[in-house]
Amino acid sequence: QLQLQESGPGLVKPSETLSLTCTVSGGSINSSRYYWGWIRQPPGKGLEWVGSISYSGSTYYNPSLKSRVTISVDTSKNQFSLKLTSVTATDTSVYYCAAIVVLVGAAGSWGQGTLVTVSS
Amino acid sequence: DIQMTQSPSSLSASVGDRVTISCRTSQTISIYLNWYQQKPGKAPKLLIYAASSLQSGVPSRFSGSGSGTDFTLTISNLQPEDFATYYCQQSYSTPLYTFGQGTNLEIK
Repeated sequence: QLQLQESGPGLVKPSETLSLTCTVSGGSINSSRYYWGWIRQPPGKGLEWVGSISYSGSTYYNPSLKSRVTISVDTSKNQFSLKLTSVTATDTSVYYCAAIVVLVGAAGSWGQGTLVTVSS
Repeated sequence: DIQMTQSPSSLSASVGDRVTISCRTSQTISIYLNWYQQKPGKAPKLLIYAASSLQSGVPSRFSGSGSGTDFTLTISNLQPEDFATYYCQQSYSTPLYTFGQGTNLEIK
């Protein structure tokens, strides 16, 4: 059973870069069975897909965020990461990492989520 | 982009009721539709994948149907733990996915 855990700063200043890491346990991040994704949820609102990365490093980003997002994978640490540049208050959200089963495109395993607040 | 429209946005029901939640997509997506349940302060939980397949460990009172552009999540014999927010998600344009706006299921 895959387990995922987000880590990173809970407070980021406007115009700076948000950086989060997701550590995967119970399975290999090299598995071709999964994409590794980030999903966010502003307080009191719905879910928004941020982007995904395959085991081979191919990336896919939400077009509305594409110019600011980078997702990368570190196979040696069984981790993948999210960087979001030039943040504003509208980027304040709970950020979730998830394992997406490639065959059906469904996120079967999620991290617990981490709240990132953008404020000076 | 594939647009998702969930209805209703909120729903009141009683324990023991049967409820249905609808999800409509702006273009045909075959059966590439998944359903999630989210409780306050928790991560979403996968209930149904590929429109009608029940995720392991999910009670059989949850069921999904549909194909093309119209999909339904049905919860039979509502239990107290089922009161939550439900989201649909298309996986046709893999791996650029989108979610519906959510349906808040409340106790009447």
